[in-house]
Amino acid sequence: KQEVTQIPAALSVPEGENLVLNCSFTDSAIYNLQWFRQDPGKGLTSLLLIQSSQREQTSGRLNASLDKSSGRSTLYIAASQPGDSATYLCAPWFTGTASKLTFGTGTRLQVTL
Amino acid sequence: GAGVSQSPSNKVTEKGKDVELRCDPISGHTALYWYRQSLGQGLEFLIYFQGNSAPDKSGLPSDRFSAERTGGSVSTLTIQRTQQEDSAVYLCASSRNRGQVIMNTEAFFGQGTRLTVV
Repeated sequence: KQEVTQIPAALSVPEGENLVLNCSFTDSAIYNLQWFRQDPGKGLTSLLLIQSSQREQTSGRLNASLDKSSGRSTLYIAASQPGDSATYLCAPWFTGTASKLTFGTGTRLQVTL
Repeated sequence: GAGVSQSPSNKVTEKGKDVELRCDPISGHTALYWYRQSLGQGLEFLIYFQGNSAPDKSGLPSDRFSAERTGGSVSTLTIQRTQQEDSAVYLCASSRNRGQVIMNTEAFFGQGTRLTVV
């Protein structure tokens, strides 16, 4: 069964800290992987897309890495801000399930002043 | 449109009534997905459309759930005889991928419809 695990489930950090969110998946055969954020009561906002041939992707203060062979991706957030507080979701697109993204349960991040 | 649009944003219905949820994907996106997110739970896949066809409807939880897509654009998710366990946020997403060409495909989500069955 293709599963996605995100660690930690919740994280609270003071403003300004750099932090790493972890995602692991059970099947290394993926097309790509997306990171999303979800604010309470809202939909999902796409943050980064990493293709299976890439090792990392950057957008502003966000950097996502992908180690497909070991089934891992990390999302690095630099100089965290209170506005970064949200739930972060990792979603690989497994090649055996061309019809859908498979989601982890997310990491709930709170950045405090 | 500029993004995926879902309506209504909130829906409260009485148990046993039918509801229709609508999704307008990004213009030109051939693939459309419905997911469900129950309180405190992860995203649960419901159904996938490629054009007007649904090659994967494996996530629909029961025969009370159905969905259609017309003109390769708007999709409607219908829940008949709603039950309290149907209460959740229903999310729609679209992407440009066609079939197996997925490597550089990015999925975009709408804001969801919060369904409450009382």
